[in-house]
Amino acid sequence: GENVEQHPSTLSVQEGDSAVIKCTYSDSASNYFPWYKQELGKGPQLIIDIRSNVGEKKDQRIAVTLNKTAKHFSLHITETQPEDSAVYFCAASRTAGTALIFGKGTTLSVSS
Amino acid sequence: KAGVTQTPRYLIKTRGQQVTLSCSPISGHRSVSWYQQTPGQGLQFLFEYFSETQRNKGNFPGRFSGRQFSNSRSEMNVSTLELGDSALYLCASSSVMAGGPRELFFGEGSRLTVL
Repeated sequence: GENVEQHPSTLSVQEGDSAVIKCTYSDSASNYFPWYKQELGKGPQLIIDIRSNVGEKKDQRIAVTLNKTAKHFSLHITETQPEDSAVYFCAASRTAGTALIFGKGTTLSVSS
Repeated sequence: KAGVTQTPRYLIKTRGQQVTLSCSPISGHRSVSWYQQTPGQGLQFLFEYFSETQRNKGNFPGRFSGRQFSNSRSEMNVSTLELGDSALYLCASSSVMAGGPRELFFGEGSRLTVL
């Protein structure tokens, strides 16, 4: 079945450094790729998303890149801050519906 | 605007019992999805409802069921509980727009422990 692989599972960086999380998907029909951030005791919250007709999207310190040929997409966070510490999930889905296939998550720790 | 509200937040059940979880979506959102979150399997899609109809279903046994009411509120039910059903159950709502997938707004979840 459809699968999304996410790496690394844990990531520790110093404040101000950049963080990169990578995902690979298996369903070639996927064309929507959101990233969610989950803080302790909260539900996941969308931080950025990208559709298949776009190769890169940026929102302030956060950027996402997509390589449809290789079925890879990545999240880049620059100038990390302690409040960026959380679990990040990538996901993929087809156009219709909201049946997201999630990666297993990356626990990001930013130390000051 | 109030967010997605899930009740109860915590509950403990024993094997063989059944449980009903409730979700109130953001006002105006007509689509409600349910996800199961566990440390081992991560976030897994259960089902999606739109206008009281199940529109999509994940790969879970028939013990897992749901429904949506005319006011868009949704419930999910798990019958004959098993230890492996212990998880955080997340509800998410979204608005309906032309052109493709919409942002999911998640509630804080209902944490179910099966003893």
